Amino acid sequence: GAVVSQHPSRVICKSGTSVKIECRSLDFQATTMFWYRQFPKQSLMLMATSNEGSKATYEQGVEKDKFLINHASLTLSTLTVTSAHPEDSSFYICSAQTPGQGLYEQYFGPGTRLTVT
Amino acid sequence: QQPVQSPQAVILREGEDAVINCSSSKALYSVHWYRQKHGEAPVFLMILLKGGEQKGHDKISASFNEKKQQSSLYLTASQLSYSGTYFCGTVGSSNTGKLIFGQGTTLQVKP
Repeated sequence: GAVVSQHPSRVICKSGTSVKIECRSLDFQATTMFWYRQFPKQSLMLMATSNEGSKATYEQGVEKDKFLINHASLTLSTLTVTSAHPEDSSFYICSAQTPGQGLYEQYFGPGTRLTVT
Repeated sequence: QQPVQSPQAVILREGEDAVINCSSSKALYSVHWYRQKHGEAPVFLMILLKGGEQKGHDKISASFNEKKQQSSLYLTASQLSYSGTYFCGTVGSSNTGKLIFGQGTTLQVKP
């Protein structure tokens, strides 16, 4: 159980274009989903918290107009990187949270490797 | 606010033990441990709640000292499959569910 999928797994795009990444919880309903970015050999940096039916909450320093998050249902959240630039190249990982018993376990998707040329 | 992990890197031989520590300057509700292999997403290992509990499965266990705001992950009789980067993630005492990850500890197990 607790499987999270992400699509696509890899994407290469040209500078100035937009890219959409999907995150789905396959066998459970996730009240909250999180989006992280990870640079090589670094830790996971939380970008934003996404709750179904409400606006995402962005961490300090993350541009909300650049990283658009839509949490359409309890099983789907999308991250759109708008007007991508080479510095946006990174490993983007989503996680879905189950609040059962107040433990807030987070299960991660397999990640999306974004390369902007 | 980011928890501090130590050591940064560990090299072991198969069968040896290791301890990874995670320390926070803030009061915590819970500590989560994950293992990440290169190019893959983190895999959930366990959660520890405040109250000083210990948990474990197989040969991996962990403890959480709420008063010291520290958690330790214990890997006993390490196997080659244990290699990877271990991250602790902490949830603050307000329990928003938001995880803040440490910088990671790279573990390499050699035959």
